[in-house]
Amino acid sequence: SQQGEEDPQALSIQEGENATMNCSYKTSINNLQWYRQNSGRGLVHLILIRSNEREKHSGRLRVTLDTSKKSSSLLITASRAADTASYFCATDESTDKLIFGTGTRLQVFP
Amino acid sequence: GAGVSQSPSNKVTEKGKDVELRCDPISGHTALYWYRQRLGQGLEFLIYFQGNSAPDKSGLPSDRFSAERTGESVSTLTIQRTQQEDSAVYLCASSSSGPSTDTQYFGPGTRLTVL
Repeated sequence: SQQGEEDPQALSIQEGENATMNCSYKTSINNLQWYRQNSGRGLVHLILIRSNEREKHSGRLRVTLDTSKKSSSLLITASRAADTASYFCATDESTDKLIFGTGTRLQVFP
Repeated sequence: GAGVSQSPSNKVTEKGKDVELRCDPISGHTALYWYRQRLGQGLEFLIYFQGNSAPDKSGLPSDRFSAERTGESVSTLTIQRTQQEDSAVYLCASSSSGPSTDTQYFGPGTRLTVL
């Protein structure tokens, strides 16, 4: 079963705009990770945020985590056409597996 | 160094045939994972290997699916008597330690089509 659920399922924006994606999960976690996937192939790790952290930045990416609401958001600022991809959150359901959400498909138009 | 590699990149097979998918993890990574991703869906965990410990097979959907790993190197995922519902991209990932603390590095996947 899927732990994380992303919202929205699909998002279309213009270059330069910000994109916000949300992830909700069900059980307590140690950390939450965000991954990006181009063209239905391999995923690339973007950022990991630990349960005792509330916000983390990496370049144009900003991730927040609210453990009381069991939710996280990924913000991509000043989006580019190259940001077009699917974005997945993943949580550690136990010590031996990550559970991935269903993903948000982001389309950035030039 | 080289990343995670998978072969073949594409596999088309007939219903009922067996297929074997291969994953070469990053050298030195003790943890290896297999996932299945159906078209337009998220990743579905299949199996996890960690060093010499017994693998976590809890995600394998049926007894037609099996996987092996030789030490801390190559892994093969075997699907016997394939069915059309097995059509998906099969992704392999490796990490230097456990999944809850470490980044997973993904291979490009094998796209399996069962006719």
